Amino acid sequence: AIRMTQSPSSFSASTGDRVTITCRASQGISNYLAWYQQQPGKAPKLLIYAASTLQSGVPSRFSGSGSGTDFTLTVSSLQSEDFATYYCQQYSTYPLTFGGGTKVEIK
Amino acid sequence: EVQLVESGGDLVQPGGSSRLSCAASGFTFKNYAMSWVRQAPGKGLEWVSGINAGGESTYYADSVKGRFTISRDNSKNTLFLQINSLRAEDTAIYYCAKVPFGGDYVDYWGQGTLVTVSS
Repeated sequence: AIRMTQSPSSFSASTGDRVTITCRASQGISNYLAWYQQQPGKAPKLLIYAASTLQSGVPSRFSGSGSGTDFTLTVSSLQSEDFATYYCQQYSTYPLTFGGGTKVEIK
Repeated sequence: EVQLVESGGDLVQPGGSSRLSCAASGFTFKNYAMSWVRQAPGKGLEWVSGINAGGESTYYADSVKGRFTISRDNSKNTLFLQINSLRAEDTAIYYCAKVPFGGDYVDYWGQGTLVTVSS
């Protein structure tokens, strides 16, 4: 199975900060990568698919980039509602696999 | 509006079985692949199983292969997950997930149903 490694696992940031989360695949997955946001006690929400395509309705402060094995999710200016846990997921090969998550906390 | 409503979660003894259901509405269910994703308490997301639109092709995580069975009834807009030989490590919220055309990611999630495996 393809292993997805996210870093960091958690960090603190302030409203207005630009933040970047990294996801690395154990083998090349082209651009078959999605990013999700999960608030406590809620189901995840799709942010980005195909590594860089913003899901309809998702604010433009979110962006994704990368191809092959290395990917990033960037929030250009962190808002209060963005404090959450973020997951990457590869859909290049079965079994589908998620990264371990990155928790973004308020500083 | 897409809605996915799971049911069937319960307290189950180790070695026991349960059947999870997901009632879908707001889209043409028979045209879309579907998946189940789970999340153990305080842990990350784990993809469990997937099924194509017609139900002919199924896929499983290694951790559940041979114990879980995914199926669907397109006449009733319902997705199922039969879970057998349950272990403590199967304790999790199980999410029903809609897969869009063109990629095996999830564009809509249900609210989840909790399966607790304990004696």
